[in-house]
Amino acid sequence: GAGVSQSPSNKVTEKGKDVELRCDPISGHTALYWYRQSLGQGLEFLIYFQGNSAPDKSGLPSDRFSAERTGGSVSTLTIQRTQQEDSAVYLCASSVGLLGQETQYFGPGTRLLVL
Amino acid sequence: EDKVVQSPLSLVVHEGDTVTLNCSYEVTNFRSLLWYKQEKKAPTFLFMLTSSGIEKKSGRLSSILDKKELFSILNITATQTGDSAIYLCAVNNYGQNFVFGPGTRLSVLP
Repeated sequence: GAGVSQSPSNKVTEKGKDVELRCDPISGHTALYWYRQSLGQGLEFLIYFQGNSAPDKSGLPSDRFSAERTGGSVSTLTIQRTQQEDSAVYLCASSVGLLGQETQYFGPGTRLLVL
Repeated sequence: EDKVVQSPLSLVVHEGDTVTLNCSYEVTNFRSLLWYKQEKKAPTFLFMLTSSGIEKKSGRLSSILDKKELFSILNITATQTGDSAIYLCAVNNYGQNFVFGPGTRLSVLP
């Protein structure tokens, strides 16, 4: 079956513009995670969705970042008024169920460059 | 403040060598520790450890957790050039947060 897919694979935008990043998790996976990896930095947790529960947004770096998950499947990460420090690879992962209990399958990531 | 420290940050070995990567952590309400291998953009999940003293093994890779001393090691035996990657350690707490270490960059020379 298909793995986690993300789109676009690359995105170049100008400072101040809004961007939307999409994640299609593996079918049937109820848990979905967004991460960010900046150049030379460790992987940074952003947000976690589990089923229909309210998402854990504690990792979002600022109120310019938001994410939603429609119908318990596809997720969109939105960054408003992008800044150069937002440049990073944004990774999405999904797992079957409970956080920390299941193998996470990662998508290929979206490489965002803010000029 | 929760934190994860990995050592060494960089390591160069030759094929056939055995390596040990270290991960120490401080986290409230520890739930699990995870190891990832990152070669390009997306890290590949290796192991999840929740209990002390129980070794997890996958081929030439193995890992163990010590919850008393708050550390984990990742061993790779008979290294190959394909093992060259960044190895990430992360801890997960019951608050559903992940804290990642900076990674160990492993280079395996032929």
